[in-house]
Amino acid sequence: EVQLVESGGGLVQPGGSLTLSCAASGFTFSDHYMDWVRQAPGKGLEWVGRTRNKAKSYTTEYAAAVKGRFTVSRDESRNSLYLQMNSLKTEDTAVYYCARAAVRGSGRPDFDYWGQGTRVTVSS
Amino acid sequence: DIQLTQSPSFLSASVGDRVTISCRASQGISNYLAWYHQKPGKAPKLLIYGASTLESGVPSRFSGSGSGTEFTLTISSLQPEDFATYYCQQVDSYPLTFGGGTKVEIK
Repeated sequence: EVQLVESGGGLVQPGGSLTLSCAASGFTFSDHYMDWVRQAPGKGLEWVGRTRNKAKSYTTEYAAAVKGRFTVSRDESRNSLYLQMNSLKTEDTAVYYCARAAVRGSGRPDFDYWGQGTRVTVSS
Repeated sequence: DIQLTQSPSFLSASVGDRVTISCRASQGISNYLAWYHQKPGKAPKLLIYGASTLESGVPSRFSGSGSGTEFTLTISSLQPEDFATYYCQQVDSYPLTFGGGTKVEIK
């Protein structure tokens, strides 16, 4: 059974840092791109960033709103995905989901499994 | 960036109704579009990918169509468990983007 379990959320002051983790199980982690998606309170879904799979050398992509402040990484030995968040702003307040990108022949995968989310609140 | 415009943003319907949700892309995305639904307090769930392919385990009352810039999600007979918010997502190019959502509520 595929499982994604996020952790590390909490309250942080503006300008602070936080690292989120996502523990993956039930599938071959290195085969999949992995993504972070967030949802501000009462708002829609916003893609944050991606790390590609081993075959694509774990390269990354980011949304403009977080580029230069957030870093997506992964540890294959721990089957874990991370989101290092620096210089946090109040507008980064959201539930953060990790999501598994499906293996599709198109090379343009959607998200077939999601974690339950972890809440990040940026406030003084 | 590719913008996705969903309509309507809110929909009131009854159990058994046929429901259609539209998603328009600001530029052509071939068939690189997915549909999700999300219930309050829960993670989104994939329904359709490749614009029209039903994800494994998703009931056949859900269907998707379209290509290029115009896409549609149809629920042939709305069930109580289908009351949720529906999102389209384009996976054609970065940044990946989602539509603003369509909330389906009980009439």
